[in-house]
Amino acid sequence: AQSVAQPEDQVNVAEGNPLTVKCTYSVSGNPYLFWYVQYPNRGLQFLLKYITGDNLVKGSYGFEAEFNKSQTSFHLKKPSALVSDSALYFCAVRDRGSTLGRLYFGRGTQLTVWP
Amino acid sequence: NAGVTQTPKFQVLKTGQSMTLQCAQDMNHEYMSWYRQDPGMGLRLIHYSVGAGITDQGEVPNGYNVSRSTTEDFPLRLLSAAPSQTSVYFCASSLNREGEKLFFGSGTQLSVL
Repeated sequence: AQSVAQPEDQVNVAEGNPLTVKCTYSVSGNPYLFWYVQYPNRGLQFLLKYITGDNLVKGSYGFEAEFNKSQTSFHLKKPSALVSDSALYFCAVRDRGSTLGRLYFGRGTQLTVWP
Repeated sequence: NAGVTQTPKFQVLKTGQSMTLQCAQDMNHEYMSWYRQDPGMGLRLIHYSVGAGITDQGEVPNGYNVSRSTTEDFPLRLLSAAPSQTSVYFCASSLNREGEKLFFGSGTQLSVL
């Protein structure tokens, strides 16, 4: 079975400081991994994905994520947080060998960046 | 440049009523899906489609029906609404059948009394 865990419901960080939003996953095979962001009263927006290759993936708005196979993690990072980064962040996973189209989401982490 | 369009944005139903949530995309995407979002639960997949005439169940399909007669449209039908179906519903589409980079609609807030 596939699953995604986001261990923190809430992350608070000061503007200008680095931020990390954690994600761990469980799949039977090799994973496809994703991060999405949701602003209030909006649908989710794609940030970045890991398919294969370099373990450090760069995405939209200055975000990046590091794939760590031994720790089964895919943490989202940004070197310098902005107040406008405040939003709900979702990690998602799909097993490469799984039924087409089944993407599993974590419960989400609310990021608050204070001025 | 509409993307994924969902209607209605808000809906209140009484228990036992039926209704259809509409979803349309104008990007010629093969893959379309429906998710529900509940507090503390993240997004859960209800049904998905990898092309016209092809649909399959997700994690929480009970109480919902879908059909995909055209590439553009993927309506979600609630057969007999129950309070447990109170949720925010999102339609999403993707260019390829693997459903990777999803484009989401703005959501439908549904309350079942």
